[in-house]
Amino acid sequence: DQQVKQNSPSLSVQEGRISILNCDYTNSMFDYFLWYKKYPAEGPTFLISISSIKDKNEDGRFTVFLNKSAKHLSLHIVPSQPGDSAVYFCAASGTNFGNEKLTFGTGTRLTIIP
Amino acid sequence: DTGVSQDPRHKITKRGQNVTFRCDPISEHNRLYWYRQTLGQGPEFLTYFQNEAQLEKSRLLSDRFSAERPKGSFSTLEIQRTEQGDSAMYLCASKLMDRGVGAFFGQGTRLTVV
Repeated sequence: DQQVKQNSPSLSVQEGRISILNCDYTNSMFDYFLWYKKYPAEGPTFLISISSIKDKNEDGRFTVFLNKSAKHLSLHIVPSQPGDSAVYFCAASGTNFGNEKLTFGTGTRLTIIP
Repeated sequence: DTGVSQDPRHKITKRGQNVTFRCDPISEHNRLYWYRQTLGQGPEFLTYFQNEAQLEKSRLLSDRFSAERPKGSFSTLEIQRTEQGDSAMYLCASKLMDRGVGAFFGQGTRLTVV
């Protein structure tokens, strides 16, 4: 039962262009959504989050959009830089769950082409 | 703040042997989580502690697995009678309860069972 889905295993984007990573979820009890970035041989690093009461959150080059009715969120990176090449995980949490554990998607490998 | 530290970074063991991993969370973080990541998958929740109390265990945590967090500081994850299916990256994460939604991850321990 994959509650958080990232249907694109990989994505290649030209340097300077926009990268758009997508994520879908099924559990309507999730009320916080996060993006983590992971380099090889390192642990995931928190990137940006969004509460379900918002539809957009922006932090520098990174913007996350949430469409609750569609149970869909996306991460936009603009402009894309070579250092953005990594695996990006979408994750979800439910504050009502009490445990604050994260449910992750399977990840999207982003490659920025110089 | 030295971040979440995990030891060892890599472990190769023969099937049937016992292994133990250690996690040192960020100091004062009262919640500590263990996740497991296999190839092509996102991290999957195994268990979590609030201070020294283990509050939840996933169905993934068979009876060969045991985790402890004595004194509410570092944590250990032991796997007894290892099987090839235990080969994975074991990730530790910590956070302050009810402070933000993102947890801070360590670099992980990669276990290979041969």
